[in-house]
Amino acid sequence: GAVVSQHPSWVICKSGTSVKIECRSLDFQATTMFWYRQFPKQSLMLMATSNEGSKATYEQGVEKDKFLINHASLTLSTLTVTSAHPEDSSFYICSARPPGTRKSIGGYTFGSGTRLTVV
Amino acid sequence: GENVEQHPSTLSVQEGDSAVIKCTYSDSASNYFPWYKQELGKRPQLIIDIRSNVGEKKDQRIAVTLNKTAKHFSLHITETQPEDSAVYFCAASRGLGNTGNQFYFGTGTSLTVIP
Repeated sequence: GAVVSQHPSWVICKSGTSVKIECRSLDFQATTMFWYRQFPKQSLMLMATSNEGSKATYEQGVEKDKFLINHASLTLSTLTVTSAHPEDSSFYICSARPPGTRKSIGGYTFGSGTRLTVV
Repeated sequence: GENVEQHPSTLSVQEGDSAVIKCTYSDSASNYFPWYKQELGKRPQLIIDIRSNVGEKKDQRIAVTLNKTAKHFSLHITETQPEDSAVYFCAASRGLGNTGNQFYFGTGTSLTVIP
């Protein structure tokens, strides 16, 4: 089945540094990918919608300059957490939907997630 | 925007009993409602979904019901097994879940099935 690959699976960084997270659709093209953040024991919060070849759409309250999203190709979207701080520590996860998936199946596939710890 | 509420936040049932998780949504334009199961530290996995033109859908031990008028939908798990223990998320989306439409997730229900 369709696979969304996300890297790295975990990262520890120093406060003030930037971290890039990659989300790749391995066997399909994704014009749209979604980025979520999940705090421990909490729900998945949509951060932004990544659109290939255009600017990302951010949800209310998400800082565009802090969470830079680039969707330069049909198979790759990146999320860069700039000037990371301890409060940015979270589980970040992307998702995409392979085109042509039967409409009877939702078909959104999630990446394996990235656990970011800022120290 | 859409607001999805989910109850209960935690649920414990004896093995073999049924479990019911309920969600409400606010956006009347939402027309696609998937349910995801997330085991600890893993990615969410779609377990069942329903579209607004359907009132109920069943897949073996799992069923979902939708009441468009009341804007609520529910997940029903029958004959629960220990491996059903996980966090379950409901979600709502416009556009029948097609590529360009984002999901808004409920707050999750931690289900524990006691052997």
